[in-house]
Amino acid sequence: GESVGLHLPTLSVQEGDNSIINCAYSNSASDYFIWYKQESGKGPQFIIDIRSNMDKRQGQRVTVLLNKTVKHLSLQIAATQPGDSAVYFCAENRNKAAGNKLTFGGGTRVLVKP
Amino acid sequence: GAGVSQSPRYKVAKRGQDVALRCDPISGHVSLFWYQQALGQGPEFLTYFQNEAQLDKSGLPSDRFFAERPEGSVSTLKIQRTQQEDSAVYLCASSPGTRWFFGPGTRLTVL
Repeated sequence: GESVGLHLPTLSVQEGDNSIINCAYSNSASDYFIWYKQESGKGPQFIIDIRSNMDKRQGQRVTVLLNKTVKHLSLQIAATQPGDSAVYFCAENRNKAAGNKLTFGGGTRVLVKP
Repeated sequence: GAGVSQSPRYKVAKRGQDVALRCDPISGHVSLFWYQQALGQGPEFLTYFQNEAQLDKSGLPSDRFFAERPEGSVSTLKIQRTQQEDSAVYLCASSPGTRWFFGPGTRLTVL
């Protein structure tokens, strides 16, 4: 079935380095994508979003890239900090015909080494 | 409060018991969602309300699961005759239209 998924289940990164988390999606009709951060015992927290009419969007220390040709989404975290250690999910909001729900990928755990 | 709140935060139930999980959305948010998150996995959609109307319940895994939002604000997810496979974190999210805000979840453990 159609789904949103991730390539790497765990990513270890040295403090201060940049992190890149990847996500593949299969529904070409998806028009809105969100990256969430989830810390232990907490709900998903919004990081950054991007619409399908864009290929790049930048926030504070984070950048999301969207490649619609290969249905690929990535999250780049600059100068990774210990507080960035968490599980990261990409989520997809499909077109209106599919309702107003988010479909999540399986998640990537980021471990920041001091 | 400033965010979505859920109660209880933790619930332990014996197999066969009924449970009720509560969600208090952000005031004024029209949309409310329930998700189920198994250990080590991403959240899976259960059901969606717009005000008091349940517009999508396609994700509810069985007829033992029931959700309501009678006054278009607080929502309750009820699970009857709980089974071990129901053990998960149940997340609630509310939305004013274009962004989803998640609560901390209720961790349900069925023994």
